[in-house]
Amino acid sequence: SAVISQKPSRDICQRGTSLTIQCQVDSQVTMMFWYRQQPGQSLTLIATANQGSEATYESGFVIDKFPISRPNLTFSTLTVSNMSPEDSSIYLCSVVLDYSPETQYFGPGTRLLVL
Amino acid sequence: DAKTTQPNSMESNEEEPVHLPCNHSTISGTDYIHWYRQLPSQGPEYVIHGLTSNVNNRMASLAIAEDRKSSTLILHRATLRDAAVYYCILRDWGYGGATNKLIFGTGTLLAVQP
Repeated sequence: SAVISQKPSRDICQRGTSLTIQCQVDSQVTMMFWYRQQPGQSLTLIATANQGSEATYESGFVIDKFPISRPNLTFSTLTVSNMSPEDSSIYLCSVVLDYSPETQYFGPGTRLLVL
Repeated sequence: DAKTTQPNSMESNEEEPVHLPCNHSTISGTDYIHWYRQLPSQGPEYVIHGLTSNVNNRMASLAIAEDRKSSTLILHRATLRDAAVYYCILRDWGYGGATNKLIFGTGTLLAVQP
């Protein structure tokens, strides 16, 4: 299994500002994903962030709004840029273990409220 | 990714079995059926997955129809801790990053009554 931590766990931000969310994994993984969960909704995949390559964004998500870094095999960041109240969501990272790719492990999420 | 259809909500009594249905009529031959659940205020967690044969693990059982167009997640004895949103997801098997992503539907909200 994998243990994933995210920082911050929650934050309240002003519109127009940016927030960087960190995701730390207790083992080295190639594949990492970022999801958004809007209030009362299901999870929506933002991007796939594999180490060693540029992040791949899903339709409706762009790098300028959600830049992602993946500097090594245990860490990634997602930045929510120029925030508006519509960005208020839970942001979750998840990983697939290289030796056990059938299961995806999720972090606890970062709860973001934009005023 | 092929889509799945699940009831929005279901209720169960504690200690009783629960059968959570999922329809996936457009499933392809390389799609695995995965189930995840999301407990309140937590990230999703893996429950079980299968391809063609029924599967059992310590958490649940997965019954897959012979034509693979539907499946049922079975919780043998529901507890209060099983109250969660259950997601049935089709996942194309592969080792490339693009085919390992999970596309979540709306899921089934399971309420467990004491």
